[in-house]
Amino acid sequence: QSALTQPPSASGFAGQSVTISCTGTSSDVGGYNFVSWYQQHPDRAPNLIIFGVTKRPSGVPDRFSGSKSGNTASLTVSGLQAEDEADYYCSSYGGSDNFVVFGGGTKVTVL
Amino acid sequence: QLQLQESGPGLVRPSETLSLSCTVSGASINSDDSCWGWIRQSPGKGLEWIGSIRSGERRYYNPSLKSRVTTSIDTPKNQFSLQLRSVTAADTAVYFCARLAVSTGKHDFWGQGTLVSVSS
Repeated sequence: QSALTQPPSASGFAGQSVTISCTGTSSDVGGYNFVSWYQQHPDRAPNLIIFGVTKRPSGVPDRFSGSKSGNTASLTVSGLQAEDEADYYCSSYGGSDNFVVFGGGTKVTVL
Repeated sequence: QLQLQESGPGLVRPSETLSLSCTVSGASINSDDSCWGWIRQSPGKGLEWIGSIRSGERRYYNPSLKSRVTTSIDTPKNQFSLQLRSVTAADTAVYFCARLAVSTGKHDFWGQGTLVSVSS
């Protein structure tokens, strides 16, 4: 069982928005602003799309945005495009006893 | 541009030790802001953090794997390594190495991953 809880799937029509939640505890997501999100296409390595809860690396479209409220972080993909169909994983710093924790992943389907 | 490349056997027998290395290019493995980690993905499953190491022999392990994992750094080769002991079929996975930027908590550079199968 993953340390962070994500819904297994999410979907939306092209052009619409989809939001993925990532629920942890006060010892990880709620306790630090070190939440990251990764996009993974089949047979590829994960790719960083959000870090520090809300920040985007250079080259990542502004259609991707992150937020956090309490122990739950969220990733929103606006203006869905076909290439956004992928698996998405959240991750957080979990303190010195559980340095890195991942969510179980959410498969996003573009209808 | 920082790059990472995993290397090691693709097949390990049950009860033996899985050993992988990750060669880092484009940055020093002793960089203050860098922590070097291993993450695995079982077939059809999600990402699982295994452990991380940074200069000064600071090591961090997944509590569920801690008793079987060792990580190390080879500074002259600019490499870091993973050893996972007493493997079973459940350890069959794609193993990724990645750089964690300590100041931001982001895994910003990843290797392509290497499939390790545990089978007799």
